[in-house]
This record gives sequence, structure tokens and C-alpha cells, in this order.
Amino acid sequence: AQRVTQPEKLLSVFKGAPVELKCNYSYSGSPELFWYVQYSRQRLQLLLRHISRESIKGFTADLNKGETSFHLKKPFAQEEDSAMYYCALSNTDKLIFGTGTRLQVFP
Amino acid sequence: DSGVTQTPKHLITATGQRVTLRCSPRSGDLSVYWYQQSLDQGLQFLIQYYNGEERAKGNILERFSAQQFPDLHSELNLSSLELGDSALYFCASSVTGLPLHFGNGTRLTVT
Repeated sequence: AQRVTQPEKLLSVFKGAPVELKCNYSYSGSPELFWYVQYSRQRLQLLLRHISRESIKGFTADLNKGETSFHLKKPFAQEEDSAMYYCALSNTDKLIFGTGTRLQVFP
Repeated sequence: DSGVTQTPKHLITATGQRVTLRCSPRSGDLSVYWYQQSLDQGLQFLIQYYNGEERAKGNILERFSAQQFPDLHSELNLSSLELGDSALYFCASSVTGLPLHFGNGTRLTVT
């Protein structure tokens, strides 16, 4: 079964500290993976997709097929990064989301 | 602004009632998706329409139904509401496939 697991409900760091939001997946085919961000009860916004291999707002994520992971990383967290982060896996043309990780960045 | 419009923003109603949530996709997008976001369940896929036809079904209750109209807007109908239906309901759209572009959601409170 296709599943996305985000093991941490909450991650708290201080400004300037490195951040890693974990995401593991199970999928029988070749996955397409995404990170979405949701700021304070706003709509979900696409942050990253693995096929584009780009860095958005300093965040990067690398697909590791061996470990079936797609962890989101940022070397120096900023207060404005505080938000809910959702990892998602595409199943044909719909998304399956993880339960999300709330990132709190303290000043 | 993602271009996906959802109305109303907030809805408060009583148990047993019926409500309709509306979604207008981005211009040119043929696919509309509905998701339910609740505190304990996270984001759950409900249903997808493509150009007026149902394409995929997720964890949608029988009390819920949806449709996509010829102008491509979509409505999600929730009936016999229960307290547990209180959630944020998101609509998303895409031209075809991914990525999805989400609306701001409708917050439903059932009292």
C-alpha cells in the first residue's frame, strides 16, 4: 500500500539551527514526491518536488530510494519557516499526504 | 494567490444538517480534488473530478457527495452532519496530473 510517514509531529529549533524534517514512504513503483508547506491556517503551497531538484527558500530534499526517504533540509532555520510541512506521494494523479510536521523556529 | 477559490471561508451548522462547499479551479485546470484536513486524521483525499467526470475516490463517506459542473467548478455536499465532520475542507486543481494548487479552504464547524 502507498503510504507516507512523517514520524515527528513537532520539531522545535532555534533560529540559525539546521533543520531536517523526516519523510519516509512506501510505494511499489517509481514515486514522485513533494513537500507542501502550510503557514498558519493558510492554504497548502507547493514547496518542492523531487523531479525538479531545486532549492526553494533555502530548503532542499533528496530522494533516497534505498532508504525510501525524502527528508526536507535547511542549513539555517529562520523564524518565518515556522509552519506545517507535509510530505506527499503521487499515486497516479492524486496526492497521498503524510500527517505533517509542525516546525517551530524560536528567535 | 493560487487562483483556486473556495466559498464560504467559514461555515457553522448543527448536527444533522446539510451543507454545500463550492470550489472554482484555476483558469484552464480540468481536475478538481477535494481533501479533508482534521486534527486527528491529517489530510485525507476525498474525491477527484476531471472535466466533469469522477476520476478517483478516496476516503469519502456515503453521506458526502461531489460533482463538477460544465463550467468546471465543483461542489462538495455534506449531509447528516456529525460533530466529527468538523474540519478544514480543501479544494485543489490542476491542468492534468501534478502538482496540485490548493485553495484557502472552507472551515466547517458542526455544533
